Amino acid sequence: KNQVEQSPQSLIILEGKNCTLQCNYTVSPFSNLRWYKQDTGRGPVSLTIMTFSENTKSNGRYTATLDADTKQSSLHITASQLSDSASYICVVRKGGSYIPTFGRGTSLIVHP
Amino acid sequence: KAGVTQTPRYLIKTRGQQVTLSCSPISGHRSVSWYQQTPGQGLQFLFEYFSETQRNKGNFPGRFSGRQFSNSRSEMNVSTLELGDSALYLCASSHSGHSSTDTQYFGPGTRLTVL
Repeated sequence: KNQVEQSPQSLIILEGKNCTLQCNYTVSPFSNLRWYKQDTGRGPVSLTIMTFSENTKSNGRYTATLDADTKQSSLHITASQLSDSASYICVVRKGGSYIPTFGRGTSLIVHP
Repeated sequence: KAGVTQTPRYLIKTRGQQVTLSCSPISGHRSVSWYQQTPGQGLQFLFEYFSETQRNKGNFPGRFSGRQFSNSRSEMNVSTLELGDSALYLCASSHSGHSSTDTQYFGPGTRLTVL
């Protein structure tokens, strides 16, 4: 069964600190992996997308990595800000299929 | 450019009723997808419309249906509502949806509560 597992389920950090969120998947064949940020009461917003040949992609303070061999991805947030408090969702697309497989998300809270 | 809009934002219905949700995509976007988001299951794909045709469908019962109009606006209908249908329903649009790397832009969602 194609699955996407995210860890940790929730995370609390202090403002200014770095953190790393994990995403493991079993989706095969792999097409691409995307990280979304979802603020409370809003729809998800795409942060990064990586295909098989890419192993790192940055978007400001957000850096995503992909290891297609181990089927793992991580999202690193540098110098966290209060506005980073949100749910971060990993989404994997299977080759030849439009339908995405979503992780359950990691809820990040940044405290002042 | 205006983003994806969804109406209504909040809805309360009782079991057995039916409901229609509306989505207006970003101007120029022709692909519209619908998702259900619950705390227990997370985000799940419902269906995708392109040029007034359902092009992809997720694993939901036939009570969930949708349509797309010639201006790309889309509606989603749920008939015979069940308690488990309580969820945030998200609509997302993209240019064509042909490429799996096409970025989807999500609306704020419609929060449906079934009593």
